Formats: sequence, structure tokens, C-alpha cells
Amino acid sequence: NAGVTQTPKFRILKIGQSMTLQCAQDMNHNYMYWYRQDPGMGLKLIYYSVGAGITDKGEVPNGYNVSRSTTEDFPLRLELAAPSQTSVYFCASNGRTGEDYGYTFGSGTRLTVV
Amino acid sequence: DQQVKQNSPSLSVQEGRISILNCDYTNSMFDYFLWYKKYPAEGPTFLISISSIKDKNEDGRFTVFLNKSAKHLSLHIVPSQPGDSAVYFCAAVTQGGSEKLVFGKGTKLTVNP
Repeated sequence: NAGVTQTPKFRILKIGQSMTLQCAQDMNHNYMYWYRQDPGMGLKLIYYSVGAGITDKGEVPNGYNVSRSTTEDFPLRLELAAPSQTSVYFCASNGRTGEDYGYTFGSGTRLTVV
Repeated sequence: DQQVKQNSPSLSVQEGRISILNCDYTNSMFDYFLWYKKYPAEGPTFLISISSIKDKNEDGRFTVFLNKSAKHLSLHIVPSQPGDSAVYFCAAVTQGGSEKLVFGKGTKLTVNP
């Protein structure tokens, strides 16, 4: 099925380790986003991209990096994991079609930093 | 500073009754508003939206009302069903730019049989 695929679904990292959260979409959407959701909080924007080769910071970018070399993929990199990065991460893409504003979310990556 | 506020963390209603979820916003540049529904261990899914040029939008059991002067919107679910139990997020966006959604903290709705 078409949509947004996130891998892995779960991960436990030790403090100081690095990892990349993968996100891929097959809908040819130009706009892609990374959000994090902490318990009892809404989704906060980490980074976004309006097209291949173009990325920009969102509300909470510290400790993260992104790249967008293709339309399909938008990986999120954690270089030095910290306990404050324990969260659920959602990737989304936006094709601006129809009244749903075209946003499609992945199923999330639950990350725990210990 | 929260631009989208959902002041009720939780709401409990009986099956068949009306559920009303509220949302307030502070940024007058927002011109499109959306409601998302989220089940545990899943990503948010779109429910219903409304443009700032309208004051009401209906889709089956779901109706969204927008009061621009009060910077307030609400989601009505009639009749409520146990399957509606989920976390509901209000989101807002300013169209024509990077289309970044700004989310509220969510309201957990529980519909009791």
C-alpha cells in the first residue's frame, strides 16, 4: 500500500550512541516532515523539507540532522543520543491533495535512550 | 508559547451521546485547521478539516465549527461510539508556505458502552 514507511519501529540506544531513523514515501510528495511526540504533549516539528536538496529547522532541531537526497527518502540522524531524545518520532509527507491537506503519517519509531 | 491549545487533556462520554472537543489558537495567520485521530502505536490519521473562510464543515458523524473572532474551533461527534475512543489532535497551518502543521497537545476521548 502507498504511504509513509518508518523503520525501525522500536529502538533502545545508550547515551552517546548514534542512529538514523529511516523514512520513505512512495507518493511522490515534495514536502516531508519529522515530528516528535512526548507523553502528554502534541507533536513538535523537528525538521522539514520542501523538496530534494532542501531542508530547514523546525521548532526543536537541536541534537538532530536530516538530509533529503531523493524525493522518496528523508532520514533523521541522532549523533549523540541523550535521554531527552526519548520520544516517539513520526515522519509525514504532504502532497496537498484534497481536504485532508495531503498529510500522511508513518506509524512511528519509539526511541528510548538509557 | 503554544499557538494551538487543547485545554482538556481528557473527556469521557457515554455511547450515543455527543462528544465536544475544543481547541483555541493564538496565531491569526492560521487559515486552515484540521483534526487528527490517533490510536496507540499508530500514526495520526486525518479526520476532518475546515478553511478559515467557512464556519462549519460536516462529514457524517463529525462536524467542525470555527469561530474566527474568538480564535476557537470545536469538533462535535454525534452519536459517539466506543470505536471513537482515541486521542484527538487539533492542528493549524498557514497555507502557501512550507505547510507546517502546528499541533495542540491532544485530548483523550473515552466513549463508554
